[in-house]
Amino acid sequence: DAKTTQPNSMESNEEEPVHLPCNHSTISGTDYIHWYRQLPSQGPEYVIHGLTSNVNNRMASLAIAEDRKSSTLILHRATLRDAAVYYCILRLIIQGAQKLVFGQGTRLTINP
Amino acid sequence: EAGVAQSPRYKIIEKRQSVAFWCNPISGHATLYWYQQILGQGPKLLIQFQNNGVVDDSQLPKDRFSAERLKGVDSTLKIQPAKLEDSAVYLCASSLVGLTSEKLFFGSGTQLSVL
Repeated sequence: DAKTTQPNSMESNEEEPVHLPCNHSTISGTDYIHWYRQLPSQGPEYVIHGLTSNVNNRMASLAIAEDRKSSTLILHRATLRDAAVYYCILRLIIQGAQKLVFGQGTRLTINP
Repeated sequence: EAGVAQSPRYKIIEKRQSVAFWCNPISGHATLYWYQQILGQGPKLLIQFQNNGVVDDSQLPKDRFSAERLKGVDSTLKIQPAKLEDSAVYLCASSLVGLTSEKLFFGSGTQLSVL
């Protein structure tokens, strides 16, 4: 019951910016947009999250469309260590507690 | 800051055997999650605890899976009896409260192979 749609895979070159898209057309007003990434043989790692406004942190930027039905994770200067599966997730509230439902994610390949 | 600890890292069993996984969340984190990740898929939430109470176990196959979180700290996930389709990585995660939009911290997981 994932509520987001992402491309299965993307490819980019080292030291170039990467834009990872995500569609979430059924988003409700209280749903936060979360991004996690998973490197090989590791658990998922938090990247960034936001509600309405664009967000920046040391890892990435999150651009959220004005209607909130889509968002884009931006890696400003990709390195080989950014090769991972990136998950776009809507944070739901179930029985007063948050719940993150993962989809298939986007497998990002970085070329040297 | 110590991360989420899980053990064992790998486990191989035969079908119909039982197995248990252990998770120690980050100190002070009230919410604990168990996810199942089958090869090539995203993690699927099995059960979510708030302190030692269950918040959501709608995706837990209760005829064979059980989980407990005694004293609101460590947690154990058990499978009895295991089936071939239970082969997966079992991930434990924790978050501070779980009531607001906050990040989850994941362990490295336990890779289970059922033969």
